[in-house]
Amino acid sequence: NAGVMQNPRHLVRRRGQEARLRCSPMKGHSHVYWYRQLPEEGLKFMVYLQKENIIDESGMPKERFSAEFPKEGPSILRIQQVVRGDSAAYFCASSPVRENTGELFFGEGSRLTVL
Amino acid sequence: AQTVTQSQPEMSVQEAETVTLSCTYDTSENNYYLFWYKQPPSRQMILVIRQEAYKQQNATENRFSVNFQKAAKSFSLKISDSQLGDTAMYFCAFMKPYGGATNKLIFGTGTLLAVQP
Repeated sequence: NAGVMQNPRHLVRRRGQEARLRCSPMKGHSHVYWYRQLPEEGLKFMVYLQKENIIDESGMPKERFSAEFPKEGPSILRIQQVVRGDSAAYFCASSPVRENTGELFFGEGSRLTVL
Repeated sequence: AQTVTQSQPEMSVQEAETVTLSCTYDTSENNYYLFWYKQPPSRQMILVIRQEAYKQQNATENRFSVNFQKAAKSFSLKISDSQLGDTAMYFCAFMKPYGGATNKLIFGTGTLLAVQP
């Protein structure tokens, strides 16, 4: 079984450009979570999505950041007009059911570097 | 708000020996989950062990065990018979069960464990 797939693994953008990060959850999983890991820090929750719905976006910056999980295709985390402070590793995780066990299956992350 | 603190940024252990990683947390909740995740150089987060707060028995997974002290809000991870493959960043994490089922994990800053041959 394929795990959570994220691409690209590495992305370099100049300030002001857009970054799009993609996440395909594990087969059979319909819940996706995005976390951000800044250098020397732990992972911080950004957003939780189900197919076509944003359930909890309390960790998302109010501006420039958006996320979607369409009926078909991967989940997308979109960052518009990137700034150097957006440089981080962005992790996607998925879970199979709406359960509060905390067992998330993580991808290998996408490392964004903003020049 | 819940917080998770890992006071050991780095630790080192000899192969085959035992090491304990510390974690403390702060919460006013009575029911919650605690986790240790491992992040090897490949950067993929892997669940090592999970503890449910209402269970008094400490969780164990093969060479990994925890010492859960609810009153002290302490949740340490013991790795026995350390192996080179255990070299990784270890994150302690907290989750409060919601009615809305958001798996919003709160992570500590991590402990970098190096297993020496």
